[in-house]
Amino acid sequence: GAGVSQSPSNKVTEKGKDVELRCDPISGHTALYWYRQSLGQGLEFLIYFQGNSAPDKSGLPSDRFSAERTGGSVSTLTIQRTQQEDSAVYLCASSLATTSLKFFGPGTRLTVL
Amino acid sequence: TQLLEQSPQFLSIQEGENLTVYCNSSSVFSSLQWYRQEPGEGPVLLVTVVTGGEVKKLKRLTFQFGDARKDSSLHITAAQPGDTGLYLCAGGGSGGSNYKLTFGKGTLLTVNP
Repeated sequence: GAGVSQSPSNKVTEKGKDVELRCDPISGHTALYWYRQSLGQGLEFLIYFQGNSAPDKSGLPSDRFSAERTGGSVSTLTIQRTQQEDSAVYLCASSLATTSLKFFGPGTRLTVL
Repeated sequence: TQLLEQSPQFLSIQEGENLTVYCNSSSVFSSLQWYRQEPGEGPVLLVTVVTGGEVKKLKRLTFQFGDARKDSSLHITAAQPGDTGLYLCAGGGSGGSNYKLTFGKGTLLTVNP
């Protein structure tokens, strides 16, 4: 596609439920990143993929958070047993290489009731 | 932990006024990027500065990187309503962390007609 796409654009869930957020990077981009943007906060780094591997998962807030990438393309961020503090906009970005320009998707706004 | 402080947090001005937003850190960054984010969208890169003391101009926007590569400023001349948005600065990692961006919390700019 022309840019990074994310789905769903909005997700409302109940506390304790699991959610999956999807990211489709720009074709050919080997690097993929997930960030979280909470109200009044800057973008917080979650995880970085190079191909299908995740060399840096250090930003994942807890073991309820996991992510995978398949075929060097689509990535899924999964949050298990969601909590209210997980409410935020989850942004995905991709780039040709780690030092290349990063293109961000529009984000998924997650609301945990 | 590297932190970036942005000021002011909020700025509301009239069309035609000039403004400056600041991005400060106690840490040295290999590069400094400025993004603009509109509601419901991901951040879009405006500029990257990499050399201490560097000044870049993009039409009515002037970006400066501090000599010590710890701070940066964004100056907008004759602001227009279309400049409204969230302005984010982000510091680039170095060496093995060159993929990671550290973001400030942003400056929310409103330009009133």
